Amino acid sequence: NAGVTQTPKFRVLKTGQSMTLLCAQDMNHEYMYWYRQDPGMGLRLIHYSVGEGTTAKGEVPDGYNVSRLKKQNFLLGLESAAPSQTSVYFCASSLKNTGELFFGEGSRLTVL
Amino acid sequence: KNQVEQSPQSLIILEGKNCTLQCNYTVSPFSNLRWYKQDTGRGPVSLTIMTFSENTKSNGRYTATLDADTKQSSLHITASQLSDSASYICVVRARGYALNFGKGTSLLVTP
Repeated sequence: NAGVTQTPKFRVLKTGQSMTLLCAQDMNHEYMYWYRQDPGMGLRLIHYSVGEGTTAKGEVPDGYNVSRLKKQNFLLGLESAAPSQTSVYFCASSLKNTGELFFGEGSRLTVL
Repeated sequence: KNQVEQSPQSLIILEGKNCTLQCNYTVSPFSNLRWYKQDTGRGPVSLTIMTFSENTKSNGRYTATLDADTKQSSLHITASQLSDSASYICVVRARGYALNFGKGTSLLVTP
């Protein structure tokens, strides 16, 4: 049982490049989330999904897009990376009503 | 505005000593409060959940308390171990599913 798996774990981009972070969960959870974590800021919600085919904006959605074509996968895209998007990104999933989040190991992204 | 404030921001203690981390919140209406432990380079993992009717809950050497009247929670760690070195994050859930994160307390346990 792998839980929540994120790929890639590390990536370095140049300003203006695009990339996609992939999150996969094998717990049959309805809800999935993308967070970013920056020093002194804590975890901030970028986008989330309450089910296959649905997505919604979180606290800091600008510059990111997401898709949930399959229940087990949640993709986070950066169309034109900026240095301000240098961060550690965490994917999480949860059952509908428990509220407990199960996190992936994180993806460290550096934008030069 | 719903807010979650944690203190101290960081803490250094000697192995074997006890410590207490604080979480104050203004989230309303309150649903539950969780403490997460985040080891360096890893994702957060849930330690315990507190609901409105619960005052104290233990998970091994970790004991969480909740005072819903004053909107305060604490996480007490007994007989600390080197493996307790981590960031501890308080997350308060409002009714309707909105989650509110604290910025965390960074704990370092030294030999």
